[in-house]
Amino acid sequence: DGGITQSPKYLFRKEGQNVTLSCEQNLNHDAMYWYRQDPGQGLRLIYYSQIVNDFQKGDIAEGYSVSREKKESFPLTVTSAQKNPTAFYLCASSIEGTGGRYEQYFGPGTRLTVT
Amino acid sequence: SQQGEEDPQALSIQEGENATMNCSYKTSINNLQWYRQNSGRGLVHLILIRSNEREKHSGRLRVTLDTSKKSSSLLITASRAADTASYFCATVGGTSYGKLTFGQGTILTVHP
Repeated sequence: DGGITQSPKYLFRKEGQNVTLSCEQNLNHDAMYWYRQDPGQGLRLIYYSQIVNDFQKGDIAEGYSVSREKKESFPLTVTSAQKNPTAFYLCASSIEGTGGRYEQYFGPGTRLTVT
Repeated sequence: SQQGEEDPQALSIQEGENATMNCSYKTSINNLQWYRQNSGRGLVHLILIRSNEREKHSGRLRVTLDTSKKSSSLLITASRAADTASYFCATVGGTSYGKLTFGQGTILTVHP
């Protein structure tokens, strides 16, 4: 089965702890993205990567970090510096990122709750 | 700031009726995409319309794009209860390298 997976589905953490969200795709896509969605809101871009070993900040990168060591994987770390980390996090991929000519495929999301 | 803004924010109809959602945006675009999200799930791509296209169809979906008015509409014909979901438009600007900018979405409820 081709697709994009995120784990875990639900994640609970105490304030002050870093947490890493997993995102894996076997679609052979070059580009990968992380979004954050708050209740009743659209998606906001956190980080994106057009190719392995390269990534750029999106609109709300503060308090987050990423790596792209393998084409299939794009993990997101929510650090303790992120002031409001409780949210629904969505990972996506597309064939290529240049010019936005292609649709994005989304994972099922991870709901992070920090108390 | 959000590029796309959907209208209405919520829409409630009966099965068999048509549903129309509108999206407005502010800057020039490369393309505009519509996505669907069932509650608590990831997004599913519905249709992509490029800036040089005016209308596109896919099954019961019809999308129009008016670049002079910076607006798009999504029409779902003969709606079904299974169409109940949130619908988002997302735009790709000319130099945004694949970055999608999403609107806040329209919540569609189709009553059986």
